[in-house]
Amino acid sequence: DIQMTQSPSSLSASVGDRVTITCRASQGISNYLAWFQQKPGKAPKSLIYAASILQSGVPSKFSGSGSGTDFTLTISSLQPEDFATYYCQQYNSFPITFGQGTRLEI
Amino acid sequence: EVQLVESGGGLVQPGRSLRLSCAASGFTFDDYAMHWVRQAPDKGLEWVAGISWNSGTIAYADSVKGRFTISRDNAKNSLYLQMNSLRAEDMALYYCAKAGRGWLRLLHYWGQGTLVTVSS
Repeated sequence: DIQMTQSPSSLSASVGDRVTITCRASQGISNYLAWFQQKPGKAPKSLIYAASILQSGVPSKFSGSGSGTDFTLTISSLQPEDFATYYCQQYNSFPITFGQGTRLEI
Repeated sequence: EVQLVESGGGLVQPGRSLRLSCAASGFTFDDYAMHWVRQAPDKGLEWVAGISWNSGTIAYADSVKGRFTISRDNAKNSLYLQMNSLRAEDMALYYCAKAGRGWLRLLHYWGQGTLVTVSS
């Protein structure tokens, strides 16, 4: 199985800040990496796929990069609605695996 | 508008069975792979099972293999998860998720989930 490790597990930031979350795969997954945002009591929402392609309707303040084993999600100009938990997901192979999540707090 | 509505969750005793359903609308159901993903209280996301558009490819997490069965009825635009021999560790919110167009394992759109509680 491919293990996905996110860092940090939690992150404190302020409105207007820029933050970066890292996701590392235990083996190469090319660019088969997606990012999700989950707010309390809500279903996850897809942000990015293919490591760097924004889903339709996702603001350009979100950006992703990486290939192989190391990936990043960057959120610029944080707004109150961006404070949530973020997950990476590899879709290179079964079983599908997620990172443990990064909780972004004010 | 894409809609995925899960149902069938509830309180069940350890060792018993439960069948979850996911009613899909707003898209051509039989064009897409579908998945079940669960989330235990205050925990992260765990993929459970996935099925291709024509049921030709089916996969399970090791934690549920041999106990859970995923299936779909394209005529009814519905996805199912038959859960047998339930354990305390199966207690979670179960999400139905639609894959991205043309993708088997890329999760895209999620329902709101149905809660499964396993307790005596």
